[in-house]
Amino acid sequence: NAGVMQNPRHLVRRRGQEARLRCSPMKGHSHVYWYRQLPEEGLKFMVYLQKENIIDESGMPKERFSAEFPKEGPSILRIQQVVRGDSAAYFCASSPRPRVDSNQPQHFGDGTRLSIL
Amino acid sequence: QQQVKQSPQSLIVQKGGISIINCAYENTAFDYFPWYQQFPGKGPALLIAIRPDVSEKKEGRFTISFNKSAKQFSLHIMDSQPGDSATYFCAASYQGAQKLVFGQGTRLTINP
Repeated sequence: NAGVMQNPRHLVRRRGQEARLRCSPMKGHSHVYWYRQLPEEGLKFMVYLQKENIIDESGMPKERFSAEFPKEGPSILRIQQVVRGDSAAYFCASSPRPRVDSNQPQHFGDGTRLSIL
Repeated sequence: QQQVKQSPQSLIVQKGGISIINCAYENTAFDYFPWYQQFPGKGPALLIAIRPDVSEKKEGRFTISFNKSAKQFSLHIMDSQPGDSATYFCAASYQGAQKLVFGQGTRLTINP
């Protein structure tokens, strides 16, 4: 009964490099959400995707950040030209349907800890 | 409007005591209020959730109390145990927006 799988668990990049974070949703889930968690803070919504479509990217920085969820394969969060402020834990969640409630909650992965040197 | 404010930031409770964490919101369109539990190095896991048409929901030792007029809700953990030591987040969402808006989190420590 595999949950939401994120990899890598830890990622170290130097300033200016690219970071690629992967998320495989739970089986049967076609809705994916990305959140960012800064140290000692709550999770902040970034983007919501369905297969091949970005539905809501209101929380995503306009520059350097992009996300995709192709027909085949995991969802990818890409950060180009990383800066120190990008250091955070990035969490992916998935759900079977778009409506979030107790019967179909968002299930979270264990996150990718991104460190920028 | 989109914020959910959570308090306290940290909480220490003796084993067997009651842990209480509070949240307040502004957006009256919110209609789903979950609580998540997060252990170090792990992702948040849904603990319990409530809709505004009820004032209380209980699951085992965990209870959500909801005050619609005050726009506040709280998590009560009865008979707190050392295994409950974790960070707790309240959250909210509303129909038409699938994203969750999280509070800042409460680091709970249960002393044996």
